[in-house]
Amino acid sequence: KAGVTQTPRYLIKTRGQQVTLSCSPISGHRSVSWYQQTPGQGLQFLFEYFSETQRNKGNFPGRFSGRQFSNSRSEMNVSTLELGDSALYLCASSFGAADTEAFFGQGTRLTVV
Amino acid sequence: GQSLEQPSEVTAVEGAIVQINCTYQTSGFYGLSWYQQHDGGAPTFLSYNALDGLEETGRFSSFLSRSDSYGYLLLQELQMKDSASYFCAVRSDSGAGSYQLTFGKGTKLSVIP
Repeated sequence: KAGVTQTPRYLIKTRGQQVTLSCSPISGHRSVSWYQQTPGQGLQFLFEYFSETQRNKGNFPGRFSGRQFSNSRSEMNVSTLELGDSALYLCASSFGAADTEAFFGQGTRLTVV
Repeated sequence: GQSLEQPSEVTAVEGAIVQINCTYQTSGFYGLSWYQQHDGGAPTFLSYNALDGLEETGRFSSFLSRSDSYGYLLLQELQMKDSASYFCAVRSDSGAGSYQLTFGKGTKLSVIP
């Protein structure tokens, strides 16, 4: 079956703009988590959605938001982009929120100039 | 809060054995996972330990000591393709029956001939 799909793969935006990233989980998976990855900082948790409800949120400013649709697809939005938002944004899906294995997409590489 | 410590870089010779350690501080601990990420790739699940002891999967083994808040990933018969970043991740209870996966900053393993 198809893996986790993230679109777009690459994105260049200007400071102050906003951006929306998309994640389609593996078919049947209901839990979607988002992570920001920067060099030397590992994967930092943004938020997790399960059955259209945000269940967890990391320590990111309110400029970072997300949502999940009834088909489990998820989007995250970053408003008023800053240079420091340049990162690889990864999405991971699992069948249930309690699953021990998360399946990651290839990520969206966001560059803010 | 949650924190994980792992070495930033490790170099080992092809055919040898390498151990990557991970110490953590967290509340609501459920288990420790390990993920592998090749440059430009998505993180992929390697193992999960919920109980003390050693779990073996082929050339890879993972160990957990809950009392010491410590775990390690052991890679045997190293191959060049094992050159990648390895992340430990704590799965913890974030309340209301939901779980959170918190990642360390990763260990970059370089396998040399």
